[in-house]
Amino acid sequence: EAGVAQSPRYKIIEKRQSVAFWCNPISGHATLYWYQQILGQGPKLLIQFQNNGVVDDSQLPKDRFSAERLKGVDSTLKIQPAKLEDSAVYLCASRHLRTGGLAGNTIYFGEGSWLTVV
Amino acid sequence: GIQVEQSPPDLILQEGANSTLRCNFSDSVNNLQWFHQNPWGQLINLFYIPSGTKQNGRLSATTVATERYSLLYISSSQTTDSGVYFCAGVRDNNNDMRFGAGTRLTVKP
Repeated sequence: EAGVAQSPRYKIIEKRQSVAFWCNPISGHATLYWYQQILGQGPKLLIQFQNNGVVDDSQLPKDRFSAERLKGVDSTLKIQPAKLEDSAVYLCASRHLRTGGLAGNTIYFGEGSWLTVV
Repeated sequence: GIQVEQSPPDLILQEGANSTLRCNFSDSVNNLQWFHQNPWGQLINLFYIPSGTKQNGRLSATTVATERYSLLYISSSQTTDSGVYFCAGVRDNNNDMRFGAGTRLTVKP
């Protein structure tokens, strides 16, 4: 089974520029998450999709961050304009959500996209 | 959302030693996972363990759901065990997975 795919792996941009990250979840996984992980901290949820609908985007800085999941499969996270404090790893994860299941509720992460804003 | 506390924040061991990492939750969870974050940043699943005990090689985990905590045991630690260990939980299937701040483990040869 292929894992969660993310690209690009690394990106360096200047402040006020824009950047986009792409994620392809594990096939059949209805739930997709974008997390932001700042160095030395645990991951923080930015947005959660169930199929192509948004379940939770309460921690997404909507003035500069946007995300979409067209057709309920892959997803794009965009930052425009970027600030220095956006330097972080952006992690995409997916989950199948089997009711009453055990391992089927496991969340799987991609390798992450490292962003440095200078 | 739930609050997740991990302890200790940092742990330094000599190779071959055993260790216990702890995770406390502010509310009950029905999905709890332990992860190891490798040096390249990827979060690797260790255990899905909302309750009970599981073992995988030198690693084992126990969750006492009624008391809202989970423990990760590492026996005969190796240098390759170094990294950051996170626990994370979900209160119900519609909520996001909340992470602790992690335990940074360093195993010295």
